[in-house]
Amino acid sequence: EVQLVESGGGLVKPGGSLRLSCAASGFTFSSYSMNWVRQAPGKGLEWVSSISSSSSYIYYADSVKGRFTISRDNAKNSLYLQMNSLRAEDTAVYYCARGGGEQRKKLDYWGQGTLVTVSS
Amino acid sequence: DIQMTQSPSSLSASVGDRVTITCRASQSISSYLNWYQQKPGKAPKLLIYAASSLQSGVPSRFSGSGSGTDFTLTISSLQPEDFATYYCQQSYSTPPLWTFGPGTKVDIK
Repeated sequence: EVQLVESGGGLVKPGGSLRLSCAASGFTFSSYSMNWVRQAPGKGLEWVSSISSSSSYIYYADSVKGRFTISRDNAKNSLYLQMNSLRAEDTAVYYCARGGGEQRKKLDYWGQGTLVTVSS
Repeated sequence: DIQMTQSPSSLSASVGDRVTITCRASQSISSYLNWYQQKPGKAPKLLIYAASSLQSGVPSRFSGSGSGTDFTLTISSLQPEDFATYYCQQSYSTPPLWTFGPGTKVDIK
């Protein structure tokens, strides 16, 4: 069974940093691209970042470029999101999601999410 | 960036109703369109990928159609467990600067 479990969320002050983790199991992690998607309270879904299976290709939404860094450790079946210079508008539930399908163009499995709150 | 719109933003329906939700892209995205269902407090769930392919395990009352800029999600006979918010998402962009529609909330009439 595919499982994705996020951790690392919490309350942080504006300008602070936080590192999210996503532990994967039930599939060959090193064969799939992975993504972070967030959802602000009461709002819709926003794609944040993607990383290819071997970390060769990394992409970010403009809203987080230069502040967030996605990475992965295939030996540990883990995905990470380092978030720096956090702003109030980064407050959201952060989901990790697997890029599935032949072209890795569908988000076919999601974690339960971890809440990040940026507030003084 | 490709912008996605959905209509309606919300709708009220009864169990057994046929429900149709529309998604429109700001430019042609071929068939690179996915649909997700999200219930309150839960993660999104993939329903339809590549515009019309049913994700494994998803009931056959869900179907998708369309290509280019206009897409539709149809629930043929609404069930109690289908009351949720539905999002479309384009996966056409390369690099993958993927975007979601604003969502359509389906609630009980």
